[in-house]
Parts: sequence; C-alpha cells; structure tokens
Amino acid sequence: QVQLVQSGAEVKKPGASVKVSCKASGYTFTSYGISWVRQAPGQGLEWMGWISPYTGNTNYAQRLQGRVTMTTDTSTSTAYMDLRSLRSDDTAVYYCAREEDKVYSTGRFFYWGQGTLVTVSS
Amino acid sequence: DIVMTQSPDSLAVSLGERATISCKSSQSVLYSSNNKNYLGWYQQKSGQPPKLLIYWASTRESGVPDRFSGSGSGTDFTLTISSLQAEDVAVYYCQQYYTTPYTFGQGTNLEIK
Repeated sequence: QVQLVQSGAEVKKPGASVKVSCKASGYTFTSYGISWVRQAPGQGLEWMGWISPYTGNTNYAQRLQGRVTMTTDTSTSTAYMDLRSLRSDDTAVYYCAREEDKVYSTGRFFYWGQGTLVTVSS
Repeated sequence: DIVMTQSPDSLAVSLGERATISCKSSQSVLYSSNNKNYLGWYQQKSGQPPKLLIYWASTRESGVPDRFSGSGSGTDFTLTISSLQAEDVAVYYCQQYYTTPYTFGQGTNLEIK
C-alpha cells in the first residue's frame, strides 16, 4: 500500500532553516510527483509547491520563492522540503502529498504523509 | 491567485439529516477543452491529514460512502452529505487545481447538533 512517512517534529529559531523529509513506499517513486502543503495552527491549507522525482522539475508558490527548495533522492525514494529564513508565521504542520502524474503537476492529492510540525520560536 | 470562499464557516446538523457546504471560486475552474471542473473536496478529521473525497467536482474517490456527493460548475460548487453520520464530524475544504498556486477554501467545520 502507498505510504508517505515524514520526519519528526522540529523546533527552530527565527532565521534558521528546516529540512523535512517524506519517504515513499508501496509504489514506484519516480512515477508520481510530490507536492508540499502546510497548515498553520487552527488555520487552513496552503500549497507550497511541487516536484517531479522523474524530471527534477519544480514549481513553487510565488510567496515562498527564494526561501523554499524541494528535492528528491530517488535512491531512497525520499522527497525533501527545505525552508530557509524561518519566521514565526512559518509555524505549521507540513504535509507531503502524492500527485497523479510523473511529469506534470495535477493538483489532486490522493495520498498524504502524516504531517511534520515545525515550530519557529525564539 | 484564485480565491476559494466557503460557506458557512461552521455548520451543526442532526444525525441523519442533510449537510450542505458551498464553495465559490473567484474565477471559473471549468476547463473548456475537456469540460472538466478542476475542483476537489477534502475531509480533515482532528489530528489527521486531509482526505480527498471528491475530484472533478463530482467524482467520488474510491471507498468514499455514497452519502457524499459533489455538484456545481464554473464558479459555484456544493458538497452534500445526504444523511449525516457521527464519523462525518470534520473540517471540509474545497480546492481548485485549475492553476497553480493551488488554493483551498478556508474550511467548514461540521458538527453534530
């Protein structure tokens, strides 16, 4: 069965960076893209961007451009989301979600990771 | 960015009764070349990731009970739960995937009356 298992909770200081991992199993990793979605405490869902493990292409939300980098390691079927220059309003649960195409982002998320809480606090 | 607006923000319905949630997009999410609405509905229970219930505005995901249905086209959409069950207590989100950045509604908190 498809599983996305994310790394554990993180506490970071303002200005620091965080790297969250998402290990995929139960399918061929390079056959489907990965999107990242975050959710601030008690708030709604915000799409952050997408990466194709097949091509390495990415598409980031404009408001995060310059601070976010998404990468994959196909040898370990793991996707990574790196967020820099952290601010207090980056405190959120970060989710990875599997897309439905290997080359193009479809925006339909049938499988999700369990979420990783990132807390930014001085 | 396409803004998704849901109503109401919160809804309390008796067990066995119908629940209806509305979602409006700031521009059409109907793609004319394939006549598909790029609109999905998600259910998020407390402490869990979202779960995709409906995509293409009205296609139920495999395993989703048939009491859940989606309708609408263009900019106006509806999620209907025909007979509310206790396990349906959750926050429901609509999402457009017509164009990036994909955007979600603010959520509707569904409770039992």
